[in-house]
Amino acid sequence: GAGVSQSPSNKVTEKGKDVELRCDPISGHTALYWYRQSLGQGLEFLIYFQGNSAPDKSGLPSDRFSAERTGESVSTLTIQRTQQEDSAVYLCASSLRGGQSSYEQYFGPGTRLTVT
Amino acid sequence: AQRVTQPEKLLSVFKGAPVELKCNYSYSGSPELFWYVQYSRQRLQLLLRHISRESIKGFTADLNKGETSFHLKKPFAQEEDSAMYYCALNTNAGKSTFGDGTTLTVKP
Repeated sequence: GAGVSQSPSNKVTEKGKDVELRCDPISGHTALYWYRQSLGQGLEFLIYFQGNSAPDKSGLPSDRFSAERTGESVSTLTIQRTQQEDSAVYLCASSLRGGQSSYEQYFGPGTRLTVT
Repeated sequence: AQRVTQPEKLLSVFKGAPVELKCNYSYSGSPELFWYVQYSRQRLQLLLRHISRESIKGFTADLNKGETSFHLKKPFAQEEDSAMYYCALNTNAGKSTFGDGTTLTVKP
């Protein structure tokens, strides 16, 4: 079946502009995660959704970052007034359930964001 | 707060040699630990989880609660094992914490 998909695959934007990144999880997966992977760094947890609610937003770096999820499916990560330090690969993952933590996460291919 | 430490950013071994990728964690609750792998130009994918106690592609990992470690081991490394490896910890609140990753290179 189809895996996790993300769009766009690449995004180049000017500093100060807003960007929206999209994630389509595997159908039936109730948990959805966003991560950021900066050059030479590990995975930085951003936010986790269980269904449409986000019990943990602690990883969002600033109030310029927001995310939403509708219909227990698609999620969008929005970055307002982008800065150069926002340049990174943004990864989305989904799993059958969250909370019960032993479920495997399935990752998307990522969106490479470059802020010039 | 939980934390995952992978002390080696880079690890290089020769084909056929044993390999161990280190992972240490800190978490006050009962952890669920995973190893994920990312091969060149591929997606991040699960390699193994501690709860399954399985061997995948010859790799094993044992959770040592006393030492708070979950090291990944393989007795005889192969060139196709060259990849980026991440250790991850899940809490029962659903949050995932990943280490910074170790890039393994297996030389012929």
